Amino acid sequence: ETGVTQTPRHLVMGMTNKKSLKCEQHLGHNAMYWYKQSAKKPLELMFVYSLEERVENNSVPSRFSPECPNSSHLFLHLHTLQPEDSALYLCASSQDVSGSSYNEQFFGPGTRLTVL
Amino acid sequence: AQKITQTQPGMFVQEKEAVTLDCTYDTSDPSYGLFWYKQPSSGEMIFLIYQGSYDQQNATEGRYSLNFQKARKSANLVISASQLGDSAMYFCAMREGPHGSGGSYIPTFGRGTSLIVHP
Repeated sequence: ETGVTQTPRHLVMGMTNKKSLKCEQHLGHNAMYWYKQSAKKPLELMFVYSLEERVENNSVPSRFSPECPNSSHLFLHLHTLQPEDSALYLCASSQDVSGSSYNEQFFGPGTRLTVL
Repeated sequence: AQKITQTQPGMFVQEKEAVTLDCTYDTSDPSYGLFWYKQPSSGEMIFLIYQGSYDQQNATEGRYSLNFQKARKSANLVISASQLGDSAMYFCAMREGPHGSGGSYIPTFGRGTSLIVHP
C-alpha cells in the first residue's frame, strides 16, 4: 500500500465502548497528526507526533488517547465518548514539523465515527 | 482572531470556466507558508499547491495557480478550465511558527469553500 491509510473507514460505537482508530503511513515521514472534522466547523488539530514524541496537544478531552509506537503508525484510542464526538477523524503525515518549504501534509481517507 | 479566512462558503462555476477561491490570512511572522487542499466527498484531503512567503513568483501547478498578494495578505486559488471532478471542498492553510517549546511548525486551516462545477 502507498500513502496514508486509516482503519476502520466507518465506526459506530456506544458511549460505553472502547475502540481504536489506526493510521499507517508508507511515505517515510517523521511527523503524524490527528484531526477532527465536524460539520460546519474548521478542521481541528488534536495531536501531533514528531519522531514518536508528542509535540502538540490541543486541549483534547482525556477520552481521546493517542499512541505512536513508531514513526509509521499512529493510533487514537477512544473510550466513553459523547455523541458530540461524532465526526470525521483524519490522520496526516509530513516529512517533519519544520518550516522548510513545501513539507506538505498527506492525509488519509478518514474514519467516519458515529457515537450513539 | 482567525488566522485563515475563507469568506465564500459555497461557489458555483460552469464547466470549462475559471474560478477564484478567496483566502486571506493573518500573521506577523515574516516567514510562512500557504497551502491549498482539496477534499472530495470521499473525505481524503489532497494537497494542491504551496506558496512560500519569500517566493517571488506566484505558484502554479497545472490548472491551479495561486494569486499571492503579500501586502493584502491574500492567497487566492485560481482553477482554470474547471472540470466536473473539481467539485469538492477547498481548504486554505497557513504554516507559521514555531509553536510552543518544541519549535514545531503546524498548519492552521480555514473553514473551507464548497465548489460545485455545473456541466
